[in-house]
Amino acid sequence: DTGVSQDPRHKITKRGQNVTFRCDPISEHNRLYWYRQTLGQGPEFLTYFQNEAQLEKSRLLSNRFSAERPKGSFSTLEIQRTEQGDSAMYLCASSFGGRNTEAFFGQGTRLTVV
Amino acid sequence: AQRVTQPEKLLSVFKGAPVELKCNYSYSGSPELFWYVQYSRQRLQLLLRHISRESIKGFTADLNKGETSFHLKKPFAQEEDSAMYYCALSGALSGGYNKLIFGAGTRLAVHP
Repeated sequence: DTGVSQDPRHKITKRGQNVTFRCDPISEHNRLYWYRQTLGQGPEFLTYFQNEAQLEKSRLLSNRFSAERPKGSFSTLEIQRTEQGDSAMYLCASSFGGRNTEAFFGQGTRLTVV
Repeated sequence: AQRVTQPEKLLSVFKGAPVELKCNYSYSGSPELFWYVQYSRQRLQLLLRHISRESIKGFTADLNKGETSFHLKKPFAQEEDSAMYYCALSGALSGGYNKLIFGAGTRLAVHP
């Protein structure tokens, strides 16, 4: 599968623990996005990278969240001191730069905080 | 504020019936509008975008700037169209192109 891949697909963690998710974008894509989706809602933008530079962060992204994209390839999203409200599907997407280019999504990581 | 509204959470039709999934948006400038679809156990994928003016799988969507709408239509629904449909926009005012703002989604259920 040459699409966007995310790991793990599912994660159950206890409140207060730290978790880290990984996203491998389509290799030619220089833009990488993270979204969060809760039940009954559409995806909400969290942050995006152009190559290795993190160019925008949503106000949804509290200081417990951090994302990196070293070397402009894969990206990681870390949540520290998880809370029950962090339970959601975390989606990664990648695209070429420019207008109207299609964003390709991964299958997501479902996080459950118990 | 930039916003996408999909007023129906569920749209249930019989096979062969016409389908219209509604999408309204709030945006101060000229947005790019998209429809994304998620079939059962599959990833979110682009269905169509207004700039392309194309028909995909029999679906079309016309951008109506006066009514700020981008409704998705298909004249004859098929069972394989059953899926979750999301309307989304992007634009310079929402932080740049390719940053998508999504609606809450409409589940389309096509019954035999």
